[in-house]
Amino acid sequence: QQQVKQSPQSLIVQKGGISIINCAYENTAFDYFPWYQQFPGKGPALLIAIRPDVSEKKEGRFTISFNKSAKQFSLHIMDSQPGDSATYFCALYSSASKIIFGSGTRLSIRP
Amino acid sequence: DTGVSQDPRHKITKRGQNVTFRCDPISEHNRLYWYRQTLGQGPEFLTYFQNEAQLEKSRLLSDRFSAERPKGSFSTLEIQRTEQGDSAMYLCASSPRVGYGYTFGSGTRLTVV
Repeated sequence: QQQVKQSPQSLIVQKGGISIINCAYENTAFDYFPWYQQFPGKGPALLIAIRPDVSEKKEGRFTISFNKSAKQFSLHIMDSQPGDSATYFCALYSSASKIIFGSGTRLSIRP
Repeated sequence: DTGVSQDPRHKITKRGQNVTFRCDPISEHNRLYWYRQTLGQGPEFLTYFQNEAQLEKSRLLSDRFSAERPKGSFSTLEIQRTEQGDSAMYLCASSPRVGYGYTFGSGTRLTVV
């Protein structure tokens, strides 16, 4: 059963542009909504996370927007750089259990 | 101890053979997780341990799969009678007792021929 749906599957953005990745989740309570970044040949690495009682969190060029009523959250990468080219996964975290990952978005930043 | 180590990095095996992977977590992390990732997909949960206790197993973990974490330190994942459908990246992660900040290893890529 798929608890989180991520879109788009792939995304191409010009250098300096804004990259936006969206996720929608189903009816279950989670403690945090993290985003992970994965480079080829490496495991995923935590990028940023948000609690469900917060609507926005910003860390440097990365921002999570969270809409609890719509059960949606998104990752915005401002001033996208070629080094941001990677696969991004949204995730659902429950402290009583484990992380559930989305299907991933392959992001390519064109120089 | 700067991260999660997995061994081997790559494994090619013939269908029907048994394989075993090892994961060494960050030493102070209580929880250890195994995930499987196929090309173009997100990691899928297999099982996790808190110290030496295996607390949850996914229905993806068929009877051919077994995981152990003796003494709450390193962990092994064994696949018996491998099938071509087992070909994937097997990822190990560890975390403190409670926390979303998993640290993943670089994975073991299994190819069953």
